[in-house]
Amino acid sequence: AQKVTQAQTEISVVEKEDVTLDCVYETRDTTYYLFWYKQPPSGELVFLIRRNSFDEQNEISGRYSWNFQKSTSSFNFTITASQVVDSAVYFCALRTPTGRRALTFGSGTRLQVQP
Amino acid sequence: GAGVSQSPRYKVAKRGQDVALRCDPISGHVSLFWYQQALGQGPEFLTYFQNEAQLDKSGLPSDRFFAERPEGSVSTLKIQRTQQEDSAVYLCASRKTSGGARTDTQYFGPGTRLTVL
Repeated sequence: AQKVTQAQTEISVVEKEDVTLDCVYETRDTTYYLFWYKQPPSGELVFLIRRNSFDEQNEISGRYSWNFQKSTSSFNFTITASQVVDSAVYFCALRTPTGRRALTFGSGTRLQVQP
Repeated sequence: GAGVSQSPRYKVAKRGQDVALRCDPISGHVSLFWYQQALGQGPEFLTYFQNEAQLDKSGLPSDRFFAERPEGSVSTLKIQRTQQEDSAVYLCASRKTSGGARTDTQYFGPGTRLTVL
């Protein structure tokens, strides 16, 4: 069975603060893919990043960075110098190449960035 | 290019009515997925198509839910005799390949918010 846990239900920060969103996953597969999506109030899920299990190199994209730790089954997401436009619900998701081809999502973390 | 589109964006139905939700995937995308997102939750898988073939419908919650993709492009999710527990956002996603390419990604539409009174 697969599972994704996002323990932080809601986070509130003030603009320009750094914030980290946690994601812990469970799977028995040795090959798997991890994703982060952003869901703004408009409702559409916006793809942010995809990470393969065999590539543990961390990634930075502008103010966004991701820390993949296989040893702790975590794939955390950090926003540096947060902005009001970052306010959204963020979902971590998992997919494996065997069986169901769909994504397994966590319950999401609502981020509110106050001006 | 155009993304995934869904219609209607909002649907209000009286309990017992049938509804049909439409998804237009990105042109040329082989795979199509339907998800159900309850309020405050992450999306949950309903069903999966590869071209016109429905390969996985294990997530459909009851036999009142039916999905089709007859020509391998547009898909319709139909819910018969709607119940209040069917109220949710229904998301459609498409992916370019059948899943063999390890770097493929699902792209989502804006969803249809269904409210059953």
